[in-house]
Parts: sequence; C-alpha cells; structure tokens
Amino acid sequence: AQSVTQLGSHVSVSEGALVLLRCNYSSSVPPYLFWYVQYPNQGLQLLLKYTSAATLVKGINGFEAEFKKSETSFHLTKPSAHMSDAAEYFCAVSAYFGNEKLTFGTGTRLTIIP
Amino acid sequence: GAVVSQHPSWVICKSGTSVKIECRSLDFQATTMFWYRQFPKQSLMLMATSNEGSKATYEQGVEKDKFLINHASLTLSTLTVTSAHPEDSSFYICSARDQGGPSSYNEQFFGPGTRLTVL
Repeated sequence: AQSVTQLGSHVSVSEGALVLLRCNYSSSVPPYLFWYVQYPNQGLQLLLKYTSAATLVKGINGFEAEFKKSETSFHLTKPSAHMSDAAEYFCAVSAYFGNEKLTFGTGTRLTIIP
Repeated sequence: GAVVSQHPSWVICKSGTSVKIECRSLDFQATTMFWYRQFPKQSLMLMATSNEGSKATYEQGVEKDKFLINHASLTLSTLTVTSAHPEDSSFYICSARDQGGPSSYNEQFFGPGTRLTVL
C-alpha cells in the first residue's frame, strides 16, 4: 500500500521568497511520485514527476523536487514565489511503472503575500 | 499536449434525478480512465477505474449501482450519478492515461472537473 503525507495544510510565503511544500511518502515498493497543482474550480496539472531516474526533478513554472529515499521525502521547492503560484498543491504516489492508481495527499494551499 | 475535457463543467439537479458526466480524451486514445471525487478543501479520492470495453473497477465503499461508469470508446468515459441526493454534491474529476505517449511512464492527464450540486 502507498500513502503520502503533506505537512501543513496552509503555507504562506512572501512574493519573491522561497517556497517549500513538504511531502513524505510510504510505499512497500519503489514509488513513483508526483506533484500536481490545482487552481480554483479546475482540474489538476502535473508539475513534475519522479520515476526512478534523477533524484532531483525539475518541473514547470520553476518548481523542482528532490527524491530522498533515506528520508522518504519528496519536497517541492521554488526559489522565488510569484503571485501566480497561489493554488492548491497535491503530492501523489503510485506503486510502480505503469500502475494505474494514484494516491493523493491531503493537499497544501499556498498563499502568496504581496 | 494531451487534453482531457469534461462536460458539463457544472450541473445543478433536483434530488432523485440522474446526472451524466462525460470525460473525453481529445487528442489521444485512452483505454483506461479514472474517476475521482473531491469534497470542498479536501483531496481527490479515486472512485473507480474505467476500462474501455469492460466493466469498471470500483474502489471499496463506492456504490457501483449509484455511480454507473461506461467506457464505450477509446476517447469517452461517462459517469452517471443515479438518483442523486444532496450528499452526492461534489467536484468530480476524471483522468485518462495516454498509453501511446512518448514517455516511458503512462501519465495520467486530468480533466477540468464537473461540479455537481444536488438540491
């Protein structure tokens, strides 16, 4: 079974400051990990994914995440927050290559302070 | 890029009626589609996996007779909420796997969601 835990349901950062959204996973097999962003009343957009290649994954909109097996973490970062980054962010895990099912974390709402 | 559409984007219905939601993969074929439910300010919960040409696989606790899923073609899956009640009000999101994509991982692409309100 797989699960993800997102620490902090709400995160506020100032515009231009570092964004750090935390995700820890649990998986009995090597995981595939994802970060999605959701804007109000919209579906999910993939930010980035880890599928056992490089541990540092770069995504869209300047986001990146690092897979740390020893810490079972996959935290999302962005060096400089922009107002347009305000949204809900979901971490998700699937069990293995080609596995259909995604298990989502509870989400983190990111607010950007002008 | 791969695009998934949903129709309608929002629907309001009376209690006891049935509502059909369509999920289409616009520029790729998807033998597998997924239906999720999202309550306000909560995460997505997988309801069922929809397979083209076969019966859907429902997650534990999801009433298959209430949430009817049909995946009649490689680009269309439908979710019908039968005899809807106010507790069925939610945001329903579908996703589709692009199994012909260039990536070695069959990524899921998400639709924009359908907001259902049952009065």
